[in-house]
Amino acid sequence: GESVGLHLPTLSVQEGDNSIINCAYSNSASDYFIWYKQESGKGPQFIIDIRSNMDKRQGQRVTVLLNKTVKHLSLQIAATQPGDSAVYFCAENINTGFQKLVFGTGTRLLVSP
Amino acid sequence: DAGVIQSPRHEVTEMGQEVTLRCKPISGHNSLFWYRQTMMRGLELLIYFNNNVPIDDSGMPEDRFSAKMPNASFSTLKIQPSEPRDSAVYFCASTALANTGELFFGEGSRLTVL
Repeated sequence: GESVGLHLPTLSVQEGDNSIINCAYSNSASDYFIWYKQESGKGPQFIIDIRSNMDKRQGQRVTVLLNKTVKHLSLQIAATQPGDSAVYFCAENINTGFQKLVFGTGTRLLVSP
Repeated sequence: DAGVIQSPRHEVTEMGQEVTLRCKPISGHNSLFWYRQTMMRGLELLIYFNNNVPIDDSGMPEDRFSAKMPNASFSTLKIQPSEPRDSAVYFCASTALANTGELFFGEGSRLTVL
């Protein structure tokens, strides 16, 4: 029979709104976190990263917040645009060298015009 | 600039056949990664190379999978024999940056094993 796949959580927003995508990470020893964006039919694309000695980092229209106490990461997108529609993944480096990234299951962002 | 180039983009094969996926990393990048993406398991690291040397292959599912990097501009991921559960999108990524998670992914090879 057909296997059950991951049900991606979906965030639906209107164009111009701010979006907040959340991620809970697993390993308290993780020291480095990254957000990736994946558009349909394409490979993941790096957005922004943050190290564990920081709790906030800003990029162009994006901000990443890190709360190590509760092992939570969020990506804020300001003035969301239809082109932001994609699946967003957080990834953590579980302290074994940067190459060993563990990706989360992803959140689908749908932006309506 | 050319990004990471993968081929084929789509492959449909029958169970038991050999499959070879190819990757050309971005010129100058010294680290190369193979990932597999499925609905069930998400994005998984299979193997990565640094300066053409395999560093960690603990993510390779089983002996049917093998990866090589004969030079800095080419890598292959081979599945022999293929099985239906190998159906997935296989991504290659590269980077020249140490101590960063900024990987540059190709567009993937979608494999369907019937």
